Amino acid sequence: GAGVSQSPSNKVTEKGKDVELRCDPISGHTALYWYRQSLGQGLEFLIYFQGNSAPDKSGLPSDRFSAERTGGSVSTLTIQRTQQEDSAVYLCASSSHVFGTEAFFGQGTRLTVV
Amino acid sequence: DQQVKQNSPSLSVQEGRISILNCDYTNSMFDYFLWYKKYPAEGPTFLISISSIKDKNEDGRFTVFLNKSAKHLSLHIVPSQPGDSAVYFCAAYYGGSQGNLIFGKGTKLSVKP
Repeated sequence: GAGVSQSPSNKVTEKGKDVELRCDPISGHTALYWYRQSLGQGLEFLIYFQGNSAPDKSGLPSDRFSAERTGGSVSTLTIQRTQQEDSAVYLCASSSHVFGTEAFFGQGTRLTVV
Repeated sequence: DQQVKQNSPSLSVQEGRISILNCDYTNSMFDYFLWYKKYPAEGPTFLISISSIKDKNEDGRFTVFLNKSAKHLSLHIVPSQPGDSAVYFCAAYYGGSQGNLIFGKGTKLSVKP
């Protein structure tokens, strides 16, 4: 596609339920990043993929969070047993990772846990 | 441990004047720096970048300065316009082509007419 696509754009879920957030990166981009932005906060790094592998998972807040990437393309971020503090905008970005190129962001998924 | 720091959460500037947004970093392995701009309810958009081998990069009204010895970079916007009002994020890559992309917490710029 022309840009990074995230779905759904909005998600309201009940506390304790599992959710899956999807990211379609720009075709050919090898690097993929997940961030989240809580209300009034900055961009919190969650996980980074290079191809299908994740060299850096250090930002995942707890073992309820996991992510995978298949075929070097689509990535899914899964949050199990959601809590109210998981409410945030989840942003995905992709990059060709050729030195000197920027990462492009999707519009984000706004997750609300009620 | 925050590796990229934007110590000013907000900045207010009069239209036509210069806006200076600052960013400090702690990791000397960072080798490429970027500025992003974010409007509410949108994803961040790339603004300007600079390699660690340079100390200045200019693009229209936007100039980024890098002081490696001080581990400091700044974004200058001249002249500032009301449409520049947004949150500005500083970001850094480290490890060259294998690196992660780390963001600061952002500075909210308000340009008043």
